[in-house]
Parts: sequence; C-alpha cells; structure tokens
Amino acid sequence: GESVGLHLPTLSVQEGDNSIINCAYSNSASDYFIWYKQESGKGPQFIIDIRSNMDKRQGQRVTVLLNKTVKHLSLQIAATQPGDSAVYFCAENTDTDKLIFGTGTRLQVFP
Amino acid sequence: SAVISQKPSRDICQRGTSLTIQCQVDSQVTMMFWYRQQPGQSLTLIATANQGSEATYESGFVIDKFPISRPNLTFSTLTVSNMSPEDSSIYLCSVEGARDTEAFFGQGTRLTVV
Repeated sequence: GESVGLHLPTLSVQEGDNSIINCAYSNSASDYFIWYKQESGKGPQFIIDIRSNMDKRQGQRVTVLLNKTVKHLSLQIAATQPGDSAVYFCAENTDTDKLIFGTGTRLQVFP
Repeated sequence: SAVISQKPSRDICQRGTSLTIQCQVDSQVTMMFWYRQQPGQSLTLIATANQGSEATYESGFVIDKFPISRPNLTFSTLTVSNMSPEDSSIYLCSVEGARDTEAFFGQGTRLTVV
C-alpha cells in the first residue's frame, strides 16, 4: 500500500546496530512526551512515554531521553531489527491535554 | 489498550461528495479525537469529541466541513463534506489511554478524492 512518510527525514541503520531518533518539541509546559511507531497502512502505535520530571526512561530495547533545557527528545532502539522499520513520531501532551506531533522520522533497517 | 476499528479503511471519492468515517471502540471512553495525516506529513488534530456535547475544533477546521457525531461512549463519526483533492489524506480516530496520557489509534481511513 501507499507509504506514510514519503518526504520525511530518513535514518538508515544496519540490522543489529543501535538507532537514535531525535525530536525537538515546542511547548515548555508539556508534561508528557510520547513516542509512536507507524508502519505502512497502520495507525500510530504507542512505544514509550516519559514525564517531564524525568530525563530517562527505559523499556524493552528502547530508551527515551528528555532534555528540557534544549527541548529535545530522543528515542534509542537497541539492536535494531527489520521489524523496527517504520516512521517514528514524537508527541507532546500539552497543558491543554492535546497531543502535538512532531514531523516524524523514517527508520530503514538493512541487512 | 483499547481496540479501535475504523470504517472504511480506504475509499476513492468524487469531488463535491461527502464521506462519513466511523470509529468504534471496544470500551467506553470519555474523549475521542480525530486526526488528519496528509501525505508525507505528521498528524494534525482536527477536533475532540465528547459524548453529549458538540465537538471542539482546532484552528483551521470547521464544523461545516468536518461534522462530527458522538452518540455514545464507544462510537463516533467524522464526515468530510464537499470534498476536494486537497482533502486526500489519512483520517485517524484516537482515544486516550487509561493514564490519560498516551493515545491509541485506529488503523486510519485512507481517502483519495478525484
């Protein structure tokens, strides 16, 4: 089917390597930050989130880092696998309880 | 997590016509959200739909163009009215998670207007 993210920034990594996807957010009052994964033809899937009072949170093979000083968020994926290929979006949960999505990054994993 | 079903999954429509997209959730939720994702773009919130009240629209979106219904706590519809090719997008329904932070999404409706 038609791909999501045809014009998005692309990160290409080799299978087994670590991936780092970056995101800048805009609202210093946002209290939650969330990473989503969107595969072609599907809706975004929740990966991991982090509160604004934390600077790091780990999940299974994923780590999210938050730097509030420069309003920067990153998603680290350890031992990247072909199934990780997708478009990744960060989102901020603002003080009005709305989600604002970042522009997205397409992750391509090659053997 | 909630299971969200959207219908139709895709459609090709003639300009000037309208399409109603349905969103069904497997549990009762207070707030439902409708997003648009234009080709190669990120998600933009259209409106928030609460049961028993009128939807709240974001800047750039109006009720006449995107009327929304929310008849009960598990169902909502979004209508794209008087369509033009610029309305070609993926339309996504979303609900809040249990912690009122993360959101869960349906698979989306891929609309092409010709």
